[in-house]
Amino acid sequence: AQSVTQLDSQVPVFEEAPVELRCNYSSSVSVYLFWYVQYPNQGLQLLLKYLSGSTLVKGINGFEAEFNKSQTSFHLRKPSVHISDTAEYFCAVRIRGSNYKLTFGKGTLLTVNP
Amino acid sequence: GAGVSQTPSNKVTEKGKYVELRCDPISGHTALYWYRQSLGQGPEFLIYFQGTGAADDSGLPNDRFFAVRPEGSVSTLKIQRTERGDSAVYLCASSPGGGQVQGYGYTFGSGTRLTVV
Repeated sequence: AQSVTQLDSQVPVFEEAPVELRCNYSSSVSVYLFWYVQYPNQGLQLLLKYLSGSTLVKGINGFEAEFNKSQTSFHLRKPSVHISDTAEYFCAVRIRGSNYKLTFGKGTLLTVNP
Repeated sequence: GAGVSQTPSNKVTEKGKYVELRCDPISGHTALYWYRQSLGQGPEFLIYFQGTGAADDSGLPNDRFFAVRPEGSVSTLKIQRTERGDSAVYLCASSPGGGQVQGYGYTFGSGTRLTVV
């Protein structure tokens, strides 16, 4: 079975500061990796995904993430955050060869303060 | 439709009652998924449909939960004899389906917030 650990439940930052949201995973087989964002009272929106190839993945809204196989991590970064980035962020994995069943972490609430 | 539509957006029901939650996926998406998100948790897988059939229902917590997708499009999640512990946001998602379509992420609906009082 696979699992996802998001190391911080809450991350408060000031506007225009850089941010890193940490994600570690555990799996006995190869996985695909995803980051989703959830704004209040909305569904989950895909930010970015790692399937194969370059370990640095760029997504929407200026976010990027780096896959580190040796450390089984997939941390999400943004060099300068905006108030509008305030939301819950979820890391998720899916087994390669499987077309379903995302396993999510518990989420990190990013709060951007003025 | 343009996105995944879930109705109702909010549902309050009394303990012991029966509820139905509806999901209307993106037109043409053959794969449909239900997830449950409890307070302070990430979404947890419930069931996956490929077409009309449930390809994997291993996430359904017990036999009070059942889901159908009779025509391969709209799906209904049914919960019998609701309990307070069933209170959660129920999320539906769809994706282009079939086989090893690995590269696609899901498109999620906005969810149905179920409160059992």
